[in-house]
Amino acid sequence: SQTIHQWPATLVQPVGSPLSLECTVEGTSNPNLYWYRQAAGRGLQLLFYSVGIGQISSEVPQNLSASRPQDRQFILSSKKLLLSDSGFYLCAWSEYTDTQYFGPGTRLTVL
Amino acid sequence: EDQVTQSPEALRLQEGESSSLNCSYTVSGLRGLFWYRQDPGKGPEFLFTLYSAGEEKEKERLKATLTKKESFLHITAPKPEDSATYLCAVRLPFGNEKLTFGTGTRLTIIP
Repeated sequence: SQTIHQWPATLVQPVGSPLSLECTVEGTSNPNLYWYRQAAGRGLQLLFYSVGIGQISSEVPQNLSASRPQDRQFILSSKKLLLSDSGFYLCAWSEYTDTQYFGPGTRLTVL
Repeated sequence: EDQVTQSPEALRLQEGESSSLNCSYTVSGLRGLFWYRQDPGKGPEFLFTLYSAGEEKEKERLKATLTKKESFLHITAPKPEDSATYLCAVRLPFGNEKLTFGTGTRLTIIP
């Protein structure tokens, strides 16, 4: 069966510091991968998605970037965090069907 | 602009009291409507996918239905463990990977 991992689970970072969140998927090959952000009182917002290694599509222009160095690894990065980057970051994957399956999430607090 | 609206925002029910959650959408060319359950501090858990008007799916005490403009998540004789936030999302026509989420309904079942 497929498993999706995210780390770290929680992170507290100062404004202006860099960020790296990692997501890995097990038990599948060439999945579509997604990064979402969930802010309090708002729906999930798609940030990036990838259909293959090195292929990244951005949905929202912002302070963040994404990379996919390996088939089942997806990384979310920032060079300098802003207060507005705080939120719950979710990675998701999908395979042959439309259904997206989510990871456990990373709670990011920028102070 | 494509939108997904969920109602009510919050719902408190007594254990065993059946009710329905609503998800209305204004998208062109729906390619799937998805229901997820999200517990506090965790990633969304997939429940159902519906593709065409008239389709119904069931899982334990939950049943999801779909019309041309809305979907209902019916919960029958709920138990306290059904307490969670229920999220609805829609997927746009072929070639677009994006899921557009509603803000969710926070369901509380009182013993």
